[in-house]
Amino acid sequence: AQSVTQPDIHITVSEGASLELRCNYSYGATPYLFWYVQSPGQGLQLLLKYFSGDTLVQGIKGFEAEFKRSQSSFNLRKPSVHWSDAAEYFCAVVFMEYGNKLVFGAGTILRVKS
Amino acid sequence: DTGVSQDPRHKITKRGQNVTFRCDPISEHNRLYWYRQTLGQGPEFLTYFQNEAQLEKSRLLSDRFSAERPKGSFSTLEIQRTEQGDSAMYLCASSGTLPGASGAPNTGELFFGEGSRLTVL
Repeated sequence: AQSVTQPDIHITVSEGASLELRCNYSYGATPYLFWYVQSPGQGLQLLLKYFSGDTLVQGIKGFEAEFKRSQSSFNLRKPSVHWSDAAEYFCAVVFMEYGNKLVFGAGTILRVKS
Repeated sequence: DTGVSQDPRHKITKRGQNVTFRCDPISEHNRLYWYRQTLGQGPEFLTYFQNEAQLEKSRLLSDRFSAERPKGSFSTLEIQRTEQGDSAMYLCASSGTLPGASGAPNTGELFFGEGSRLTVL
């Protein structure tokens, strides 16, 4: 079955430190990849997406992600975290061979300490 | 506001009662999705519509669940004879078709509403 794995349930980083959130997906020839962020009481907001082309994609709020097909990964990064980045982050994938629905990972909760 | 709106935002009901949620998508979007999210989990796909046609339903959608999109605009999700296990956040999302991609798979961004939280006592 199609699946998305976010191995870290919680991550705590200091403000100003760099961040990497991991995401792996089960095999798919043509995955479309997304990162969403969800703050308490807020809807899911798209940070960035990858369809094709350059494997390093830039998103909003200073986030970027790199698609590595050989590792079936799409890790999210930010060079310097701000306190306002504290939220839950979801990796999501559309497996084109299996329809047009987004399959989400379980999420990673980011805590930022000052 | 031109985003996806959901109503009600919160619903508390007793076990066995029926509940209905409404979703108003972004007006020019032809695809509408329903997801369910429980604590500690990512959103799980329930069903989606293209215009008024319901194209896919998850096995999570038991016979007690029904979704409609009668005119291809707003959608309703009804849960009959609610159970405590139905307590969750129900999320609606909409998306459009990529420009020039008539008939092609939709890979557009999903825009989510803020969700309808259901608590079944």
